[in-house]
Amino acid sequence: EIVLTQSPATLSLSPGERATLSCRASQSVSNYLAWYQQKPGQAPRLLIYDASNRATGIPARFSGSGSGTDFTLTITSLEPEDFALYYCQQRYNWPPYTFGQGTKLEIK
Amino acid sequence: EVQLVESGGGLVQPGGSLRLSCAASGFTFGTYWMSWVRQAPGKGLEWVANINQAGNKYYVDSVKGRFTISRDNAKNSLYLQMNSLRVEDTAVYYCAREYTGWGFDSWGQGTLVTVSS
Repeated sequence: EIVLTQSPATLSLSPGERATLSCRASQSVSNYLAWYQQKPGQAPRLLIYDASNRATGIPARFSGSGSGTDFTLTITSLEPEDFALYYCQQRYNWPPYTFGQGTKLEIK
Repeated sequence: EVQLVESGGGLVQPGGSLRLSCAASGFTFGTYWMSWVRQAPGKGLEWVANINQAGNKYYVDSVKGRFTISRDNAKNSLYLQMNSLRVEDTAVYYCAREYTGWGFDSWGQGTLVTVSS
């Protein structure tokens, strides 16, 4: 089973700042990595697929990069609605699909 | 508009059973892989099971032999039969559509399953 480790666990930033979230895989997942956003009481929302492709309707301030074992989700110029939980997920080696433990992006 | 609506959650004793349903609309249900993903209270996401268009099924090890995923394409519905439930199965269970090559692109609102005596 591929383990995904996200860092940091919590990221405290202010609106307008740049956020950089990391996801590291225990073995290569090629580029088969997705990012999700989850707000309290809501279902997750797909942001990025295949490491760097934005899903439908996702604003351009969200971008993904990386391949192999190291991946990054970048949010340029944070908006108030961006403060949420973020999860990475691999679909390279399954079953099972696996998720990271999440990064909480909170307002500083 | 894609819609996924789960139902069937509730309180059940350890060792009991529950059947979750997910009603799909707004897309051609039978042409998609479908998954169940759960989230224990205050915890992260865990993929539970999926089923493809042909009815092939896959499970996370922790539920193998206890949970059964199924689908009825004529009724645009996905199911999860959960038997021998354990306290650690307590979670919100989400129905999710798998968009090939993307990931889970559509999710239901979730249904809460609580396993407690």
